Amino acid sequence: QKEVEQNSGPLSVPEGAIASLNCTYSDRGSQSFFWYRQYSGKSPELIMFIYSNGDKEDGRFTAQLNKASQYVSLLIRDSQPSDSATYLCAVYTGNQFYFGTGTSLTVIP
Amino acid sequence: GAVVSQHPSRVICKSGTSVKIECRSLDFQATTMFWYRQFPKQSLMLMATSNEGSKATYEQGVEKDKFLINHASLTLSTLTVTSAHPEDSSFYICSAPGGTSGAPAQYFGPGTRLTVL
Repeated sequence: QKEVEQNSGPLSVPEGAIASLNCTYSDRGSQSFFWYRQYSGKSPELIMFIYSNGDKEDGRFTAQLNKASQYVSLLIRDSQPSDSATYLCAVYTGNQFYFGTGTSLTVIP
Repeated sequence: GAVVSQHPSRVICKSGTSVKIECRSLDFQATTMFWYRQFPKQSLMLMATSNEGSKATYEQGVEKDKFLINHASLTLSTLTVTSAHPEDSSFYICSAPGGTSGAPAQYFGPGTRLTVL
């Protein structure tokens, strides 16, 4: 079992819709959770992090964490074509970082 | 804050030559840095963990004699691809943990695109 699992996609949503990206992790003791965005040909950039159960909002982005279910998600409201990218979920266990393989998102104009 | 730079951004070399890639943490110190490789349309692959003042830790299947890592200071790690061959052509990315203590995030450099002819 991989430490961090993501649906590889591709996920396609129309412009203006909500994009929902999901991630599960295996280490119940994981402490911190991160979402990165990677445009084609570029390196990943950090867009959100969350430590506590519940929701954390930053502009059009909302990260949701459910430690009991070992599940973290990213919602993108009012999706724009510029949001088209690969989204990586990452988990910090206190000792190591683990990255998912990423979900490819395409926002259709 | 938490900016990581890489140099060069792009390099083209002949087969058999060695290429050095630098990774610097610009506004924070990093005792640990990570080197990744990414082939087109594939996910990040962790190659090695660079440790300041000690030997790097390599992932299974990564040749340590081919990919030399030196963590010379708290802000600089270098990756040298020795005797590069066309199959080494890839996107090399470094990262360093930064942010608040106890809850670090990985910050990535912009990457180095290596093309071996």
